[in-house]
Amino acid sequence: DSGVTQTPKHLITATGQRVTLRCSPRSGDLSVYWYQQSLDQGLQFLIQYYNGEERAKGNILERFSAQQFPDLHSELNLSSLELGDSALYFCASSARGEGYTFGSGTRLTVV
Amino acid sequence: AQSVTQLDSHVSVSEGTPVLLRCNYSSSYSPSLFWYVQHPNKGLQLLLKYTSAATLVKGINGFEAEFKKSETSFHLTKPSAHMSDAAEYFCVVTDLTGANNLFFGTGTRLTVIP
Repeated sequence: DSGVTQTPKHLITATGQRVTLRCSPRSGDLSVYWYQQSLDQGLQFLIQYYNGEERAKGNILERFSAQQFPDLHSELNLSSLELGDSALYFCASSARGEGYTFGSGTRLTVV
Repeated sequence: AQSVTQLDSHVSVSEGTPVLLRCNYSSSYSPSLFWYVQHPNKGLQLLLKYTSAATLVKGINGFEAEFKKSETSFHLTKPSAHMSDAAEYFCVVTDLTGANNLFFGTGTRLTVIP
């Protein structure tokens, strides 16, 4: 157990739907990062939050959004889903100056 | 801008022989470099990290990597491969002076032959 918890582990949904992925960071880590891993794009940085505020944006589509709550857990919302959104979504957390700890991921399948 | 290039998409070694996974980086600032491992259907696990201290970094499971600034390389090695080392390995660079984002290489799949 890495200390970063992601739920659900697997998600199957239809095109056009909306889903929410949840991440609880390691205790004491203020930063949360979201990554997408797909076969054709590899691992791509989506977005970072630090202590509730958006810190950086990567290759995140406008259909996707995220937030970090006061208890530091984060949610990634994916809407108007397309087949190409099928991927493994990872959350990572870090304390400044240390390594990044990844969760085990949420596998999203859009059918 | 930061980026990493993993020179081999697939490496195959026999059990008990040395492992070499190659990584070159590009960074505008003093980089921090990491190697992560991903076993099938699992998350990413940190193997080791370089953050401007000793250039030879020792990690878990007998892996180590050497930071060579002159060659902009951070190759991962292990003296003797074990079957359990079969996995995907990612070289990662980040710039701690900036947005703290990780930039992943495309990965190297390590196969260990019995």
